[in-house]
Order: sequence, then structure tokens, then C-alpha cells
Amino acid sequence: QVHLVQSGAEVKKPAASVKVSCKASGYTFSDYAIHWVRQAPGQSLEWMGWLNAAMGNTIYSPKFRDRLIISRDTSATTAYMELSGLTSEDTAVYYCARDRRLSFWAPSFDSWGQGSLVTVSS
Amino acid sequence: DIQMTQSPSSLSASIGDRVTITCRASQSISTFLHWYQQRPGQAPKLLIFTASILENGVPSRFSGSGSGTDFTLTIRSLQPDDFATYYCQQSYRSPLTFGGGTKVEIK
Repeated sequence: QVHLVQSGAEVKKPAASVKVSCKASGYTFSDYAIHWVRQAPGQSLEWMGWLNAAMGNTIYSPKFRDRLIISRDTSATTAYMELSGLTSEDTAVYYCARDRRLSFWAPSFDSWGQGSLVTVSS
Repeated sequence: DIQMTQSPSSLSASIGDRVTITCRASQSISTFLHWYQQRPGQAPKLLIFTASILENGVPSRFSGSGSGTDFTLTIRSLQPDDFATYYCQQSYRSPLTFGGGTKVEIK
């Protein structure tokens, strides 16, 4: 059974950075891509970026390209999302989600982490 | 970016009702359209991918149709577990984008 377990809630000050982890189990980590999606309070879902878990290459949404880093540690079967230059508008639940494929083609998300709340407040 | 517009934004329905949710893309996206269900306090769950293919384990009362710019999610006979918010998502072009959601509430 596929499980994605994320790190816990974080409170950060404006201009700080946050790094969220996503530990995968129940499948071969390098066989599927991982995405990061966020959801601000009461809002819809917003895609942030994609990681090829085998090769480590990434595709980012232009909105986040300047301040987002998605990475992975294959030995730990863990993906990471680091967002810098935080503002109050980054307050959201951040989800990792597994792609149905490894390649970036018609991506859809067949398993999700439980979400990590990041609160940005002075 | 490709804009995804869902309608209605919310609806009230009774157990056993047939419910239809629509999703319109700002440009043609072929069948690169997926549907998710999100219950309060939970992560989204994939229901249908590539417009009409039911994800494993999803009840057959859910169905999807459409291509190009107009898509539909239908729940044939609404059950208590189905009261949730539903989102469409396009994967035709990066950045991937979601609709604004449709909240299905109990009448």
C-alpha cells in the first residue's frame, strides 16, 4: 500500500524559508514522479512543481521558479520541498502527491501525503 | 496558463440524487483532465483520470466525460460519503492548473 508521510506543521516568519519532507513507502520510489501542491485556507489547489524521483530533474511552476527547490534522497525514499522568501500569502497546507507515471506526461496524482500546514506570521 | 472553471461552485442535493458537475478549460486540452474528491480536513483523492477512466477502487456511480474544453463529472446516485468538494485538473500544459472546486452539500 502506497504511503506518503509528510513532516509536521511549521510556523515561520516573513522572509524565512521552510523545508517540508515527504517519506514514501509501499512502492519503488524511483518508479514514480512526485509533485508538490498547496492549498491556502478555504481556497482551491495550486500546483507548485514536479520531481522525477529517478533522475532528480524538476519542473517548476513559473510562479514559484525563483524561490522553490524540490529535491529527493533516493536512499531515504524521501522527497523535499523548500520554499524561500516566505510571505503571509504562503500560509497554506502543502501536499506531496505521487504521479501515476515517472515521466512528465498527462500528470495526475494517485496518492497524496497527509499535508503539512505552513503558517507565515510575524 | 490554462484556466479551469467549474460550475456550480456549490450545490445542495439529497441521498440518491444524480449530480452533475461541469469543468470548462480556457483552451482545448484534449482529454487531459482529471477529477478529485476532497473531504474536509483530508487530502484530495483521485477519482477519474484522462476524462473518463475510473481510478481503482472508486465506486462505479462516479463517471466522467468530455473532451476539448468541456467536461462533466456525474455521480449517479449520491451517497453519504460523497458530500465533499470536487476539483478538476488539467495536465495538457504546464503549469498544471485546477478548477475552483464544487462543494456538494446535503439538502
